[in-house]
Amino acid sequence: GAVVSQHPSRVICKSGTSVKIECRSLDFQATTMFWYRQFPKQSLMLMATSNEGSKATYEQGVEKDKFLINHASLTLSTLTVTSAHPEDSSFYICSARVPGGNTEAFFGQGTRLTVV
Amino acid sequence: QQQVKQSPQSLIVQKGGISIINCAYENTAFDYFPWYQQFPGKGPALLIAIRPDVSEKKEGRFTISFNKSAKQFSLHIMDSQPGDSATYFCAATLRGSNYKLTFGKGTLLTVNP
Repeated sequence: GAVVSQHPSRVICKSGTSVKIECRSLDFQATTMFWYRQFPKQSLMLMATSNEGSKATYEQGVEKDKFLINHASLTLSTLTVTSAHPEDSSFYICSARVPGGNTEAFFGQGTRLTVV
Repeated sequence: QQQVKQSPQSLIVQKGGISIINCAYENTAFDYFPWYQQFPGKGPALLIAIRPDVSEKKEGRFTISFNKSAKQFSLHIMDSQPGDSATYFCAATLRGSNYKLTFGKGTLLTVNP
C-alpha cells in the first residue's frame, strides 16, 4: 500500500514554544490530508482536513490559530502547534488518501508530543 | 452525537478463539466501512473494509459481517493469536465528506497465550 511518513515520531518542547510536525506521502500525491489527535486509550479525533493549495478546514472546537496547517505541496502537509501548553500533549496522526483510488486512508506512524 | 458506536470497549480471548467486535452506525449515507488495527505508539493500519452492497467479506482470518437493515457491522477474528493483541477501530465514511472518517471509540483486544 501507499506510504505516509510522519516526522518527528517524538518531540518534547517547552511551554510557550511552537512545534512543527510534517506529514509526507512518499509514493503518491495527496491533494487531501487529514490531521487527528488521539489521547491515551481514546479514539482518533479529527482536527482538520488539509487541502493542497488552499486553506485547511477545521473541525468544530479546534482552534485555527493554535493548530496551523499548511499543505504547500502535493506530498507535504505540516501541522504547527503554536504556543504549546501541557494540555496540548497528545499523539498526533496524519492520514492521506490516494486520489482516484478506493477510499482507503493511509496513516502516518504518529507523533508523540510532550509539552513540559 | 456519536455516529459510530463500538463495543465492547475491551475484550480478552484465549489463543485460538474467535474475537468479535461490533459496530453500529446512524448515518445511512455512509458507504464505506473500514476496520483499523493500532498497536501502541503507532498509527492505525487498515485491516479490512466493506461496502454496504456486500454482506460479508473475508480476508484470511479476518471477516466483516455487514447488516445494512440493522445498520450494524462486525469484525470477526478467527484463530486469534497473541500477535493480534491491539486496539481495533471501526470507522465509516461517505463520498460527499471527502472521505472523512468517523471512528468508533475502539476495542482493546488481548489474546492470551
